[in-house]
Amino acid sequence: DTGVSQNPRHKITKRGQNVTFRCDPISEHNRLYWYRQTLGQGPEFLTYFQNEAQLEKSRLLSDRFSAERPKGSFSTLEIQRTEQGDSAMYLCASGYPGPGELFFGEGSRLTVL
Amino acid sequence: GENVEQHPSTLSVQEGDSAVIKCTYSDSASNYFPWYKQELGKRPQLIIDIRSNVGEKKDQRIAVTLNKTAKHFSLHITETQPEDSAVYFCAASSGGGGNKLTFGTGTQLKVEL
Repeated sequence: DTGVSQNPRHKITKRGQNVTFRCDPISEHNRLYWYRQTLGQGPEFLTYFQNEAQLEKSRLLSDRFSAERPKGSFSTLEIQRTEQGDSAMYLCASGYPGPGELFFGEGSRLTVL
Repeated sequence: GENVEQHPSTLSVQEGDSAVIKCTYSDSASNYFPWYKQELGKRPQLIIDIRSNVGEKKDQRIAVTLNKTAKHFSLHITETQPEDSAVYFCAASSGGGGNKLTFGTGTQLKVEL
């Protein structure tokens, strides 16, 4: 399967713990995006990378959130000191530069107790 | 930034009927408008897209229309089938900001037998 893969698929954690999600994009895509989706809502943009450079961060992304794409391939999204409001599906997508299709992963569902 | 509104939030049709979902966008610089289908627990998948230099695009039972002057676009599904039941999201991209997509809030389509 050469699609976008994310892991873990599900993560349950206690409030205050740190969590990290990983995304492996389609290999030839140099753009990588993180989105957050809550129940009954559309995906909300969090941040994106072109190769290893993080070029934009949403105002939604508090400083408890950090994302990296160290070698321009896979990316990680870390949430520190999790809060119950962080419970959501975290979606990763990849694509080529220029307006066009984004290919989404299956997502990583976070539940903060 | 871009704001995308989507209506209706739920839509129930009889098998074989047509379904129409409408979206409006705010940023006149937006030039790419995809529609994604998301089945329960699955990733969003592109079903059709349209660019701002085109007014209408068809792909079998699915069509999308774009009115740039009014800043709205619509998804039309004809001869609906039970497998069309899913959540549909419209989105818009201005090309700037890394071509990130701004999504609508989704329409839950239910096709009844």
